[in-house]
Amino acid sequence: DTGVSQDPRHKITKRGQNVTFRCDPISEHNRLYWYRQTLGQGPEFLTYFQNEAQLEKSRLLSDRFSAERPKGSFSTLEIQRTEQGDSAMYLCASSLDSGTGNFGPGTRLTVT
Amino acid sequence: AQSVTQLGSHVSVSEGALVLLRCNYSSSVPPYLFWYVQYPNQGLQLLLKYTSAATLVKGINGFEAEFKKSETSFHLTKPSAHMSDAAEYFCAVSDREDSSYKLIFGSGTRLLVRP
Repeated sequence: DTGVSQDPRHKITKRGQNVTFRCDPISEHNRLYWYRQTLGQGPEFLTYFQNEAQLEKSRLLSDRFSAERPKGSFSTLEIQRTEQGDSAMYLCASSLDSGTGNFGPGTRLTVT
Repeated sequence: AQSVTQLGSHVSVSEGALVLLRCNYSSSVPPYLFWYVQYPNQGLQLLLKYTSAATLVKGINGFEAEFKKSETSFHLTKPSAHMSDAAEYFCAVSDREDSSYKLIFGSGTRLLVRP
């Protein structure tokens, strides 16, 4: 069990650029979640996949955000036309059904 | 709607002293409650969860929490703090037992442990 991994760990981008993050869940986990954590706050739920199907999306996930999980394995989160307000830590978690979830270390995004 | 309030953004205790981190929740449905710990540059780790089976929940690393419906509280305690407990702690609520599903987190409490 190598845990949930996320890539990159840090990303600095200029406002208006597009960025994409990757999450590799624990291999047998069928559920995958994305959260966003801004400085000094707790994480906020963004979206949830069961296998390759995106079953829930938060209202926080504006139309500049898109998430995919092709083939039910890794997932990507893309942010188009980044804004300074997008600066945050993006966390991924995975679980097997309703079992205990595992969070990854996160990708810290800084938009300048 | 559900929400969580963590009282005290920072708590400082001496090594060996009692740790008490406060969490109050609001929920219109029976809640599932969780405590997570976050060490610097690491992901969130589940300490314990309340799923209505027992009001006193024991977790990892000697932590426990008691669900008090009348007080809408789920405070986290540890009898004796260790230096390695220094981290940020988050209380979370959900309407499902899944420990990762649509969690609503509090704003966190940073625990400092003095030698």
